[in-house]
Amino acid sequence: GAGVSQSPRYKVAKRGQDVALRCDPISGHVSLFWYQQALGQGPEFLTYFQNEAQLDKSGLPSDRFFAERPEGSVSTLKIQRTQQEDSAVYLCASSLSGQGEAIYFGEGSWLTVV
Amino acid sequence: GIQVEQSPPDLILQEGANSTLRCNFSDSVNNLQWFHQNPWGQLINLFYIPSGTKQNGRLSATTVATERYSLLYISSSQTTDSGVYFCAASSWGEAAGNKLTFGGGTRVLVKP
Repeated sequence: GAGVSQSPRYKVAKRGQDVALRCDPISGHVSLFWYQQALGQGPEFLTYFQNEAQLDKSGLPSDRFFAERPEGSVSTLKIQRTQQEDSAVYLCASSLSGQGEAIYFGEGSWLTVV
Repeated sequence: GIQVEQSPPDLILQEGANSTLRCNFSDSVNNLQWFHQNPWGQLINLFYIPSGTKQNGRLSATTVATERYSLLYISSSQTTDSGVYFCAASSWGEAAGNKLTFGGGTRVLVKP
């Protein structure tokens, strides 16, 4: 597609509920990234894929967070047993080759846990 | 990991004014980018600039890698320039330059 597409744009989850956030990267982009942005702060790295391989997941806050990209295109970020501190904007980005280059962000998925 | 600091944290400009935003980083970088986050939350890539100078319309950026800083220049500012400007950097050792660390941002308000 023309840009990085994320869904849902807005999600309200009850504490303890599982959520799944989807990212469709720019067509042909090899690398895909997930970032988390809390209100008033800069984005923070969560995880990174090159094709279907998850090369770095050092930023995932806990084992309740899980990301996958099974066919090297669309990616899903799953959060199990959501907690209030998970409320944030989850940003997906992609880049052409993953060789330390410009990355392009989607509009984000705004998650509120109540 | 790499540390990224931006200044000033807040900037109020009159339409038509020029301004300079600064980004300092703690380590040598192979990836440095400037982004603009608009009031709706969309992050727009402005420049990929690990070294050198680039210009795009009224915006330009310079990175002096040996002195570990980058500057973003906004000339003849417009109200649409309002938002938060982020600098993000990565060194080669951090997932081959793919693990960007963002600064705290500079919040810019351009008044008509």
